[in-house]
Amino acid sequence: AQKITQTQPGMFVQEKEAVTLDCTYDTSDPSYGLFWYKQPSSGEMIFLIYQGSYDQQNATEGRYSLNFQKARKSANLVISASQLGDSAMYFCAMRGDDKIIFGKGTRLHILP
Amino acid sequence: DVKVTQSSRYLVKRTGEKVFLECVQDMDHENMFWYRQDPGLGLRLIYFSYDVKMKEKGDIPEGYSVSREKKERFSLILESASTNQTSMYLCASLPARPQPQHFGDGTRLSIL
Repeated sequence: AQKITQTQPGMFVQEKEAVTLDCTYDTSDPSYGLFWYKQPSSGEMIFLIYQGSYDQQNATEGRYSLNFQKARKSANLVISASQLGDSAMYFCAMRGDDKIIFGKGTRLHILP
Repeated sequence: DVKVTQSSRYLVKRTGEKVFLECVQDMDHENMFWYRQDPGLGLRLIYFSYDVKMKEKGDIPEGYSVSREKKERFSLILESASTNQTSMYLCASLPARPQPQHFGDGTRLSIL
């Protein structure tokens, strides 16, 4: 069965520091995709970054990077130089065979 | 840019009412989804549709039905609203692999 685990329900980080949000997954599907979404208090889900299971390099999008360790089945999101506007809920998700599952999310608080 | 539009950001209805939540996407995606999101429970899949007039139950379909008469529109119906259906409802569409889901802005539904 497929599973996504986000072990950190909440995190507090000082502004301008880097932050790593943990995500581990479990699947027997050889081909899958991993995503991160940001959900601010206004409620919309914002797609941040994508990593395919066969991608050789870790995905990067601006200040976001995905630390993909396939053998460990982890796909941690790294946010460099955090900003106050990064305070939000973050969800890790996995897609395999047209089924999408989500982790329970990590609430990130950026402190001034 | 893909756009997924939900008809209302906020909605208040009374117990026993029939409630319609509408979702429209403009990118000709085959797959569309309805989730509800509650604190501590993450995103839970209610129903999804992989083609016009086709639907599949998700994890929590009880008390809900859906309609997909046109490819771009996926409606969620609460047949007889109850207070435990007060929640945030998110619609998403899914293109061909390996792209992520695209979400609407969400509807905060309160059942009084």
